[in-house]
Amino acid sequence: GAVVSQHPSRVICKSGTSVKIECRSLDFQATTMFWYRQFPKQSLMLMATSNEGSKATYEQGVEKDKFLINHASLTLSTLTVTSAHPEDSSFYICSAREDSGSTWSASNQPQHFGDGTRLSIL
Amino acid sequence: AQKVTQAQTEISVVEKEDVTLDCVYETRDTTYYLFWYKQPPSGELVFLIRRNSFDEQNEISGRYSWNFQKSTSSFNFTITASQVVDSAVYFCALRKGGSQGNLIFGKGTKLSVKP
Repeated sequence: GAVVSQHPSRVICKSGTSVKIECRSLDFQATTMFWYRQFPKQSLMLMATSNEGSKATYEQGVEKDKFLINHASLTLSTLTVTSAHPEDSSFYICSAREDSGSTWSASNQPQHFGDGTRLSIL
Repeated sequence: AQKVTQAQTEISVVEKEDVTLDCVYETRDTTYYLFWYKQPPSGELVFLIRRNSFDEQNEISGRYSWNFQKSTSSFNFTITASQVVDSAVYFCALRKGGSQGNLIFGKGTKLSVKP
């Protein structure tokens, strides 16, 4: 089955550090990828939609300059948490939707999730 | 607005009991997709099922079954003869039809199955 590789799985770093998280579709192409954030014992909240070759679409309340998204190829999206602070500590998880042959059928394509990144800022 | 409600925050059962996790959704779209995911303590999301809005057939997969009722906007999930390994947080999610279509998750139900 389709696999999404998310790396790293865990990061512990000092306040002020920038952290890059990679989301890679291993055996399929994904024009669209999604980044979610999950606080402890809470649900997953969409942060942004990443589109290959164009700017990401951020959800309301998510700082674009804080959470930089780059979707440089059809198999890779990266999320960089810039100048991370303790309040950025969270579980970040990406998903990638398989490209289809047409926009019409795109909605029927499954999404595949990475295993998540647990970010802890000291 | 789209919304997914999982009213049960936590459920605790004893092994071999049957348990039903409720999911109620709201959407104005005629085309949409519903999902259930399992999130064990390790954090990864495990896909369980996807159902589109045109397919109201119930589904059974081993000990898992799903009851989709458009009339009540519900997509409930039943585990039969629960096992300790079923302990996890279960999320119901809604996705809008269309070329974008991110997932909207419910708040999750934490299921604890005790031996």
